Amino acid sequence: EAGVAQSPRYKIIEKRQSVAFWCNPISGHATLYWYQQILGQGPKLLIQFQNNGVVDDSQLPKDRFSAERLKGVDSTLKIQPAKLEDSAVYLCASSLAGRNTEAFFGQGTRLTVV
Amino acid sequence: KQEVTQIPAALSVPEGENLVLNCSFTDSAIYNLQWFRQDPGKGLTSLLLIQSSQREQTSGRLNASLDKSSGRSTLYIAASQPGDSATYLCAGPDNYGQNFVFGPGTRLSVLP
Repeated sequence: EAGVAQSPRYKIIEKRQSVAFWCNPISGHATLYWYQQILGQGPKLLIQFQNNGVVDDSQLPKDRFSAERLKGVDSTLKIQPAKLEDSAVYLCASSLAGRNTEAFFGQGTRLTVV
Repeated sequence: KQEVTQIPAALSVPEGENLVLNCSFTDSAIYNLQWFRQDPGKGLTSLLLIQSSQREQTSGRLNASLDKSSGRSTLYIAASQPGDSATYLCAGPDNYGQNFVFGPGTRLSVLP
């Protein structure tokens, strides 16, 4: 079974530039998550999708971050404009629908804003 | 708001030792819990999932238990090996049961 795919693996941009990350979840997984992990901390949820609908985006900085999940499969996360404090690893995860289901993570995208 | 703590923050042990990592939740109404491993510069690898009807799960040298009444979970690693060196993260549901809340992790070093 293929895992969660993310691209790119690394990205370096200047502040105020824009950047986009892509995620392809495990086939059949209805739930997709985007997490932000700052160095030395645990991941923090940015947004959760159930199929192509948003379940929770309460911690997404909506003035600069946006995400979409077209057709309930792939997802993109965009930052525009980026700030220095956005430097982090952005992790995508997916799971089957339901409360007792296991979450599987991609390798992440390491973003450095200079 | 659900908050997760992990103790210790870092641990260094000689190869072969048995060890215990701890995880605590502020909201003890936990119906499932997942332990992950993260190697430097990598994503998270799922180790064990304890579902609502279970109290523990075992996989090889790993055993995780969940005490819902106290909101605590432990990850037991038997006969540790240098390859076990990584950061271990626990995650449980948020207050609405919608998504995962993570602890800060325990950084484990197993010395040969």
